[in-house]
Amino acid sequence: KQEVTQIPAALSVPEGENLVLNCSFTDSAIYNLQWFRQDPGKGLTSLLLIQSSQREQTSGRLNASLDKSSGRSTLYIAASQPGDSATYLCAVGDSSYKLIFGSGTRLLVRP
Amino acid sequence: EAEVAQSPRYKITEKSQAVAFWCDPISGHATLYWYRQILGQGPELLVQFQDESVVDDSQLPKDRFSAERLKGVDSTLKIQPAELGDSAMYLCASTPTQGPGAEQFFGPGTRLTVL
Repeated sequence: KQEVTQIPAALSVPEGENLVLNCSFTDSAIYNLQWFRQDPGKGLTSLLLIQSSQREQTSGRLNASLDKSSGRSTLYIAASQPGDSATYLCAVGDSSYKLIFGSGTRLLVRP
Repeated sequence: EAEVAQSPRYKITEKSQAVAFWCDPISGHATLYWYRQILGQGPELLVQFQDESVVDDSQLPKDRFSAERLKGVDSTLKIQPAELGDSAMYLCASTPTQGPGAEQFFGPGTRLTVL
């Protein structure tokens, strides 16, 4: 059974810092990996989608990498801003086309 | 920009009552998902539709939950009777196809509180 783990569970950093969020999964037979942002009480906003054949994707200050063989993905956020404060969720797409989520990393960027 | 629509956004009910949630996926999206997210956890799949057919409902508590997508467009998720443990965020998502690797787009969710 696929299990997705996100470390750390919570992170507090000063504004301007570069940071890395980690995601690991137990079964490397994935079809894709998606990173989402969730603001309190809100739905999920897709940030980046990495297909299983890709190694990384970039969007603005965000960069996500994927290493299937080691079962790891990282989300890099450059020059963090208070507006980046949210919960970041990692999810892997399996052969049945559903997403399996981690529990998220709660990020606070202090002004 | 096309979005997944859900209503209501918030629902408060008493246990043993019936509740229903509605989802309208992005136009043209054939695959629709309902997820449940308990506070502090990641979402978990309840049911997946391909057009009007159920593809996966293995995690749906069928004694009290039901889901339908009669015309293969919008969908309704029902709980009857609601229990305290059903308090959660219910999220709807859609993708253009059922193919592996398709990006899922989520709606704003329905926050259910059962008293």
